[in-house]
Amino acid sequence: QLQLQESGPGLVKPSETLSLTCTVSGFSISSYNYLWAWIRQPPGKGLEWIGSVSYSGNTYYTPSLQSRVTISLDTSKNHVSLKLSSVTAADTAVYYCGRRTQDSSGYYYVDYWGRGTLVTVSS
Amino acid sequence: IVLTQSPGTLSLSPGERATLSCRASQILTSTYLAWYQQRPGQVPRLLIYGASRRATGIPDRFSGSGSGTDFTLAISRLEPEDFAVYYCQQYGSSPPTFGGGTKVEIK
Repeated sequence: QLQLQESGPGLVKPSETLSLTCTVSGFSISSYNYLWAWIRQPPGKGLEWIGSVSYSGNTYYTPSLQSRVTISLDTSKNHVSLKLSSVTAADTAVYYCGRRTQDSSGYYYVDYWGRGTLVTVSS
Repeated sequence: IVLTQSPGTLSLSPGERATLSCRASQILTSTYLAWYQQRPGQVPRLLIYGASRRATGIPDRFSGSGSGTDFTLAISRLEPEDFAVYYCQQYGSSPPTFGGGTKVEIK
């Protein structure tokens, strides 16, 4: 059964780099035609797309975060990683990882979500 | 693509029908529209993808419809566990974007 679990520091200082890992179990992250995404949700607010990485390592980031974000795969550990640099209080959020599956028209939707991890940016 | 959900809050009683709207700022050239449910303190759950396809295990009281710029999620008879926040998302145009959410609350 597919499970995703985010992990990483719950508190990050302003200007530092946020680093999170999504451990995937029950499914190989290098499986053909699946993508992996990071999404965040500030406390009490809506969902914001961060970016996505394909099974082959190709990435796409949302433009507003592109200069600060890196998403990568570690196939040896079956992990998906997120790094967000130069964080501010505005980056405080619950961070989710998710699996993207292709629909019949060839587009990728998120069908599985991790439990999420709260990251607070504060000194 | 900006997605605008309405109403912001829907106050209904159990057993009533709920109709939620999601309007896109540009035409979606295919049906790459999904709906997610988020109960308080929980993870978003996929309800609908491809505008009208129910995800695995989703009850048939949930239905999605629409095309172009206007999409709808309908819940035929509200159960107590359906009171939650619902988000639409377009996932075919980069970057994928979410609507601001509609809260369905008990009247």
